Amino acid sequence: QKEVEQNSGPLSVPEGAIASLNCTYSDRGSQSFFWYRQYSGKSPELIMFIYSNGDKEDGRFTAQLNKASQYVSLLIRDSQPSDSATYLCAVNRPGGYQKVTFGIGTKLQVIP
Amino acid sequence: NAGVTQTPKFRILKIGQSMTLQCTQDMNHNYMYWYRQDPGMGLKLIYYSVGAGITDKGEVPNGYNVSRSTTEDFPLRLELAAPSQTSVYFCATGGGANTEAFFGQGTRLTVV
Repeated sequence: QKEVEQNSGPLSVPEGAIASLNCTYSDRGSQSFFWYRQYSGKSPELIMFIYSNGDKEDGRFTAQLNKASQYVSLLIRDSQPSDSATYLCAVNRPGGYQKVTFGIGTKLQVIP
Repeated sequence: NAGVTQTPKFRILKIGQSMTLQCTQDMNHNYMYWYRQDPGMGLKLIYYSVGAGITDKGEVPNGYNVSRSTTEDFPLRLELAAPSQTSVYFCATGGGANTEAFFGQGTRLTVV
């Protein structure tokens, strides 16, 4: 089992819809969870981070964490063509930042 | 405020050549990292540093070396380049062990 699993996609959603991106992780001791957005040919940039079970909202983005199910997701409401990018899930396992593991990323395509 | 600056942006190396990828930050972050990103493989940690004079291996350190003589600079050295080192390399910084990473713009390296 991979440490951090994401479906590579592409995930296609129409403009204005909700995009749901999912990530599962294997280490139950994982403590911090990050979502990065990466446009083609560019570097990753942080969208959201979440530490506690439940939902965390920031504008059109909501991160959801369920530690019992070892599952973290990112919801993008009112999806825009500018949201088209690859979304990387990153999980910080115990021991400090050097133990952050990235998923392979899910490519999101928002269709106008 | 430049953030994290990597040079060069692109480079083609011949097998067996050596080179240094430069990374400089003006964010006054103690943590610095080198990642490589290959298609479908996610970001893999090569080396990291938690402060000047302190470095440690990440997940894929073979064929690389680093040094950290100042807070600002964290160069990555490739000795005896091999085709397997063809990749996109990202330098990143972080303010602490459990915080987000700020990425440089990346270096696309091809070894032929």
